[in-house]
Amino acid sequence: DSGVTQTPKHLITATGQRVTLRCSPRSGDLSVYWYQQSLDQGLQFLIQYYNGEERAKGNILERFSAQQFPDLHSELNLSSLELGDSALYFCASSGGSLDEQFFGPGTRLTVL
Amino acid sequence: EDKVVQSPLSLVVHEGDTVTLNCSYEVTNFRSLLWYKQEKKAPTFLFMLTSSGIEKKSGRLSSILDKKELFSILNITATQTGDSAVYLCARYGGSNYKLTFGKGTLLTVNP
Repeated sequence: DSGVTQTPKHLITATGQRVTLRCSPRSGDLSVYWYQQSLDQGLQFLIQYYNGEERAKGNILERFSAQQFPDLHSELNLSSLELGDSALYFCASSGGSLDEQFFGPGTRLTVL
Repeated sequence: EDKVVQSPLSLVVHEGDTVTLNCSYEVTNFRSLLWYKQEKKAPTFLFMLTSSGIEKKSGRLSSILDKKELFSILNITATQTGDSAVYLCARYGGSNYKLTFGKGTLLTVNP
């Protein structure tokens, strides 16, 4: 158990809908990272927050947004969902940007 | 460009064999190189390498980084069936602190 929690575990929704994925980092970690993993693309970095501020942006679509709250938990919002958004979404946390990242168990999103 | 290339893509060995997994990367503002093991769930951290030539070891696993030639290797000796997994290499770098993953090497260890 990495200490990073993600909810929900599984999510099934329809195209065009909006969902919110939630992540609680390990106690004391200030950085939260979001990743998307699909069969054809592998693990892709989406976005990083550090102590509430956006720190780095990867391959995140404009339909997706994230934020980190004062209690350091983070949410990833996915809107206007498409079939291709079906994937495993991981959250990871670390103490700082150069520290090892600990991954949560992931949320499996299925868009029908 | 932030490219990380792993080889081989897939490897099948027998228990007891030694394997070497390769990872090459492009250099833009390199900070560190990380290795992860992914079974059917989330990646689990193995090693973080920042300095060239210094081997990191954990049990039967070891890894080393060559910053001049821009590659890293992960060695697993006396492989066991429990080592079967996808091994991911990731480069941390760039001015925007981006972690870029390779596609992974699928290791299958047969009894």
